[in-house]
Amino acid sequence: AQTVTQSQPEMSVQEAETVTLSCTYDTSESDYYLFWYKQPPSRQMILVIRQEAYKQQNATENRFSVNFQKAAKSFSLKISDSQLGDAAMYFCALLASPLGYQLIWGAGTKLIIKP
Amino acid sequence: GAGVSQTPSNKVTEKGKYVELRCDPISGHTALYWYRQSLGQGPEFLIYFQGTGAADDSGLPNDRFFAVRPEGSVSTLKIQRTERGDSAVYLCASSSQGQDTEAFFGQGTRLTVV
Repeated sequence: AQTVTQSQPEMSVQEAETVTLSCTYDTSESDYYLFWYKQPPSRQMILVIRQEAYKQQNATENRFSVNFQKAAKSFSLKISDSQLGDAAMYFCALLASPLGYQLIWGAGTKLIIKP
Repeated sequence: GAGVSQTPSNKVTEKGKYVELRCDPISGHTALYWYRQSLGQGPEFLIYFQGTGAADDSGLPNDRFFAVRPEGSVSTLKIQRTERGDSAVYLCASSSQGQDTEAFFGQGTRLTVV
């Protein structure tokens, strides 16, 4: 079975500081993708960053970067220079063959930004 | 349209009633997905359409749930004899092809069964 675990129900960070959200996953597939999605109160899931398992280089998108540890099955998200608009629920998700269309989601981490 | 549109945004219904939730995907996207998100949890897969056909409906919880996409565009999720346990946010997403292409989400429909 494929699983995604987010062990931090809630995290808080001071504005302009850096925060890391944790995610571990389990799959027996060799071909898979990992994602971090942001869900603000509007409920719309917004893709933050994506990592292909076959790529050794960690993905980065502006202030967002990941630490992908394939052997440890760990996929953490680092947010640098945190901004008030980053406050939201963050979900880690896995997309793996043979169900390459079905996202498997973690339970989410609520990120609070302190001004 | 510019994004995935879901209507209604919120729906309150009485236990035992029938409801329909609509999803209008991004124009040209052949793949469409429905997920259900219960309070405090991550989304759970319900059904995947490729074109007009349901390629995988294994996530539908029981036979009270049914979804259609007759023309390969708009999809409707139908729930019969609603129960309080059906209360959740129902999310729809679409992608250009399906396998490993980025899925774009709508804002969901919050269903409350009273």
